[in-house]
Amino acid sequence: KQEVTQIPAALSVPEGENLVLNCSFTDSAIYNLQWFRQDPGKGLTSLLLIQSSQREQTSGRLNASLDKSSGRSTLYIAASQPGDSATYLCAVPPSGTYKYIFGTGTRLKVLA
Amino acid sequence: DTAVSQTPKYLVTQMGNDKSIKCEQNLGHDTMYWYKQDSKKFLKIMFSYNNKELIINETVPNRFSPKSPDKAHLNLHINSLELGDSAVYFCASSQVRGNLNTEAFFGQGTRLTVV
Repeated sequence: KQEVTQIPAALSVPEGENLVLNCSFTDSAIYNLQWFRQDPGKGLTSLLLIQSSQREQTSGRLNASLDKSSGRSTLYIAASQPGDSATYLCAVPPSGTYKYIFGTGTRLKVLA
Repeated sequence: DTAVSQTPKYLVTQMGNDKSIKCEQNLGHDTMYWYKQDSKKFLKIMFSYNNKELIINETVPNRFSPKSPDKAHLNLHINSLELGDSAVYFCASSQVRGNLNTEAFFGQGTRLTVV
C-alpha cells in the first residue's frame, strides 16, 4: 500500500532563503509525481509534474527532483518570497490505479 | 477559462438533508475524481471515474453517490447528511493513457458544513 510522507510538516524562513521540501513514498511503481500548492481556503494549484522516467523538472524559481529507486522527491524553492507562503503537497498516482495518493503537506511561511 | 469548476463553493445545510455538488472539466480528460479534505487538511480519494465508468470507490458510505452523465461531468450526491460529512470536497481530472497519467487539475473545492 502506497504511503506518502512529507517532511517537515511546517517551515518558517526569512525572505530570500533557498529551501528544500521533502516527499517520500513507499512504492516506486508510480506513473509520475506531482507537486501542488494550496493557499488557505483555496483549491490546489499544480506546480510541477515529473514523469516516472524523468529525474527533474524546473519552473521559474522551482525545481523538483525525483529518485524513484529511493522513493524520494524534493522541491527546491530559490530566493523565497512572502508570496510563496502556502501548503505544499506532493502526490503520486500508483501505476495501474486511477487515483492520486497525497502526502501530509508542508506548511511554509516566508517572513518579510 | 476555468479548467475544473465546481459548484457551489460553499454549502451549509442541516443534518438529514440531501445535497449535490457539481463538477465540470473542459480539458478533454477521460478520468475524473472526487477527493475529501478533512479538518487536518489531509486529502483522500473517494471516487474515480474513467470514461464515465466507476473505477474506484474507496470505502465511501453508500449515502454518497457519484454520477457521471458524460466524460466532462462528475457530480456528487449526498443523502442524509451527517455532521461528520463536513469537509472540503475537491473534484479533479486527468488523462490516463496506457502507462501514463497526465497532470491532474483540481477544482477550487466545495466547503460543506453540516449543522
